[in-house]
Amino acid sequence: DVKVTQSSRYLVKRTGEKVFLECVQDMDHENMFWYRQDPGLGLRLIYFSYDVKMKEKGDIPEGYSVSREKKERFSLILESASTNQTSMYLCASRPLARGDPSSYEQYFGPGTRLTVT
Amino acid sequence: AQTVTQSQPEMSVQEAETVTLSCTYDTSESDYYLFWYKQPPSRQMILVIRQEAYKQQNATENRFSVNFQKAAKSFSLKISDSQLGDAAMYFCAYRPMYSGGGADGLTFGKGTHLIIQP
Repeated sequence: DVKVTQSSRYLVKRTGEKVFLECVQDMDHENMFWYRQDPGLGLRLIYFSYDVKMKEKGDIPEGYSVSREKKERFSLILESASTNQTSMYLCASRPLARGDPSSYEQYFGPGTRLTVT
Repeated sequence: AQTVTQSQPEMSVQEAETVTLSCTYDTSESDYYLFWYKQPPSRQMILVIRQEAYKQQNATENRFSVNFQKAAKSFSLKISDSQLGDAAMYFCAYRPMYSGGGADGLTFGKGTHLIIQP
């Protein structure tokens, strides 16, 4: 089974702190994603990465950055946390698209509920 | 830009009954994938079912089936014989088959909270 793990289930940080959210997948997937989930808004894509050291902005990248130094690990960074970044953060991964429809399935981690006070 | 709309924020069904969750989407693409994901309380999101737009036959996975109407851009999920374990948030998601960069994410609806009444 694919396993996507996130470093923390719950995190409380203060405004202005630098925050690191870590995600690790064990299936050698090329693609990794960070989403933000808010009630009534669904999931929104923050950033994604299709290879080591490669990254692309998603729909809501403002206030966030990412790092992918190793294939299995994708980090989301809040340079200076703000209260409007209080949310649930979900990491996901999937393999390189091979034309096989099943390769488009994304596998999700358990999420990190971040509270910024 | 593609959009996915789930018009039912919450649905309730009696155990063992059938429930249908609705989803509509807007796209100018002709080839794409549609997904239903389930997010149980405090648990990981998992894929329930997938539909390829080029397939006319509706996808089915055990008690879960879809009604895919391409012309109407509608993709509803039917859950038969509802069980307590089906209680969760359900998200409809879309992805074009061909996309620039090759790795962009899914476009999700806002979700439907499904309650199963015992």
